[in-house]
Amino acid sequence: NAGVTQTPKFQVLKTGQSMTLQCAQDMNHNSMYWYRQDPGMGLRLIYYSASEGTTDKGEVPNGYNVSRLNKREFSLRLESAAPSQTSVYFCASVISGILLYEQYFGPGTRLTVT
Amino acid sequence: DQQVKQNSPSLSVQEGRISILNCDYTNSMFDYFLWYKKYPAEGPTFLISISSIKDKNEDGRFTVFLNKSAKHLSLHIVPSQPGDSAVYFCAANSGSSNTGKLIFGQGTTLQVKP
Repeated sequence: NAGVTQTPKFQVLKTGQSMTLQCAQDMNHNSMYWYRQDPGMGLRLIYYSASEGTTDKGEVPNGYNVSRLNKREFSLRLESAAPSQTSVYFCASVISGILLYEQYFGPGTRLTVT
Repeated sequence: DQQVKQNSPSLSVQEGRISILNCDYTNSMFDYFLWYKKYPAEGPTFLISISSIKDKNEDGRFTVFLNKSAKHLSLHIVPSQPGDSAVYFCAANSGSSNTGKLIFGQGTTLQVKP
């Protein structure tokens, strides 16, 4: 049981390049989330998927797109990377119901945009 | 507008003593609160939670207190151990039902000295 996995672990992009961050969970969770963590800012929600087939914007969605490929996988795409998107990105998942808020996080992707 | 605030960026305590981490919130609609712990180069992990119908929840060395009138919660760690050295985030549900959305504070870095 790997939990939540993220690829890649590290990435350096030039301004204007595109890339997709991958996330997968093997816990049969219904809901999945993408956060970014910046110094002094805590974790901020970018997009989430409450269930397979649905996606919604979070607090900081500009410059990102997401795809809920199936129940296991939730990807985050940067179409044209900007230096302001330099951050650590975390994917999380949670099973619906009484434990709806106790999210399981992946190890993160450290992204640098030059 | 930061709805969940952790005003102390860092805290240093001696091993065996009590650690008290504080968190304030502004939205009276929040009804579920959580604490997460994060080690360097890892994703956050769930630590303890509390519903707004309670004022205290205890799990081993960790106790969370909620003061709804003051919109304040705190995490007590007794006794503190060097392995507790990490960044601690408080979080609150966003008020949206069935989405699992959380709003996080900025984090407090705890250092427990041997």
